[in-house]
Amino acid sequence: AQSVSQHNHHVILSEAASLELGCNYSYGGTVNLFWYVQYPGQHLQLLLKYFSGDPLVKGIKGFEAEFIKSKFSFNLRKPSVQWSDTAEYFCAVNGAVGGTSYGKLTFGQGTILTVHP
Amino acid sequence: AAGVIQSPRHLIKEKRETATLKCYPIPRHDTVYWYQQGPGQDPQFLISFYEKMQSDKGSIPDRFSAQQFSDYHSELNMSSLELGDSALYFCASTTLDASTDTQYFGPGTRLTVL
Repeated sequence: AQSVSQHNHHVILSEAASLELGCNYSYGGTVNLFWYVQYPGQHLQLLLKYFSGDPLVKGIKGFEAEFIKSKFSFNLRKPSVQWSDTAEYFCAVNGAVGGTSYGKLTFGQGTILTVHP
Repeated sequence: AAGVIQSPRHLIKEKRETATLKCYPIPRHDTVYWYQQGPGQDPQFLISFYEKMQSDKGSIPDRFSAQQFSDYHSELNMSSLELGDSALYFCASTTLDASTDTQYFGPGTRLTVL
């Protein structure tokens, strides 16, 4: 079974600080990895995704993530956070179940990021 | 670009009532996933459909049923509602015609059971 673990439940930063949110997954086969962001009261929005190729992927709003296969990790980073980055961040994974169907997403517990101006 | 549409956005029901949630996928998307997100929790997979057939099933109570119609929209029917069903219900759509499978989420339906 797939599982995703996010290391921090709540991270508090000041503006311009650097951010790194940890994500580790457990799955025995080929996986796709995602980071979604959920602003207060809103739906999940895709930040970035990794399917194959360059393990360093860049997403929207200056976010990037690095897939380290040997560590089963997909950590999210941003060099300088802004107050508007305050949100909850979810790491998610789905795995190949045959053909081109990767199936349901399994989410981590989420990390709430609070950025103080 | 068109996004996933869900209706209603908010729904208030009494215990033991029924509710129907609707999801309209992005045009040309043939796959729909339903997720339930309880307060302060991560989204949990309920059920999915591909080409109008159920493709996978998660921790969905027997009181819930769902289907996908010929126009690819999907409905989640919930009966004998319980207080614990209060949650945000998301649907996500994708297409297996793409080389990869990225799910795009709708705004969700917030169900409150009183």
